[in-house]
Amino acid sequence: DAGVIQSPRHEVTEMGQEVTLRCKPISGHDYLFWYRQTMMRGLELLIYFNNNVPIDDSGMPEDRFSAKMPNASFSTLKIQPSEPRDSAVYFCASQRQGLTDTQYFGPGTRLTVL
Amino acid sequence: AQSVTQLGSHVSVSEGALVLLRCNYSSSVPPYLFWYVQYPNQGLQLLLKYTTGATLVKGINGFEAEFKKSETSFHLTKPSAHMSDAAEYFCAVRTNYGGSQGNLIFGKGTKLSVKP
Repeated sequence: DAGVIQSPRHEVTEMGQEVTLRCKPISGHDYLFWYRQTMMRGLELLIYFNNNVPIDDSGMPEDRFSAKMPNASFSTLKIQPSEPRDSAVYFCASQRQGLTDTQYFGPGTRLTVL
Repeated sequence: AQSVTQLGSHVSVSEGALVLLRCNYSSSVPPYLFWYVQYPNQGLQLLLKYTTGATLVKGINGFEAEFKKSETSFHLTKPSAHMSDAAEYFCAVRTNYGGSQGNLIFGKGTKLSVKP
């Protein structure tokens, strides 16, 4: 299995631009999570989906952030407009339905907003 | 509500010394507990997990952790540190409570340094 795939791995953009991060979960996994990691705030859960349905988006910082999961094999996290404080590493993770199942992380997207 | 506390944001040990990374959890129901490791510029990787059964859990790379319900702890240990163990370690808890199925609650992480 290829694991969780994220693209791009690095993104540098200017303030005000739209940014789209992409994630392909492991096939057969029912849950998909988006996290943000910064030095100041550590690892934060932004939103998660179960069977393509958003379950909890309370971690989404502002309306500038939106996430979609149009099908079981693809999800996007969009920031519009981007700001320098959005600079972080964004991780996608997926897992099966069971409570004891492992959450598998992708390699992350390092976003820099100038 | 569930929470995880990792004591010590930075731990430094000498190569060959014992590694002890502390994790305490708060949960009103039996928890499932996880330790993840993050190497520089990589995603998080599962080290080990406790679900049910034996309270001493062995993981990859020689790490193990013991679930102690009376102490609400799940400390991570390794008898002899190796330079390659230098990384950040995250403790996490999951419970079937409050509609949060599937959601992991992470601690703030402990960065382990290994001195030659």
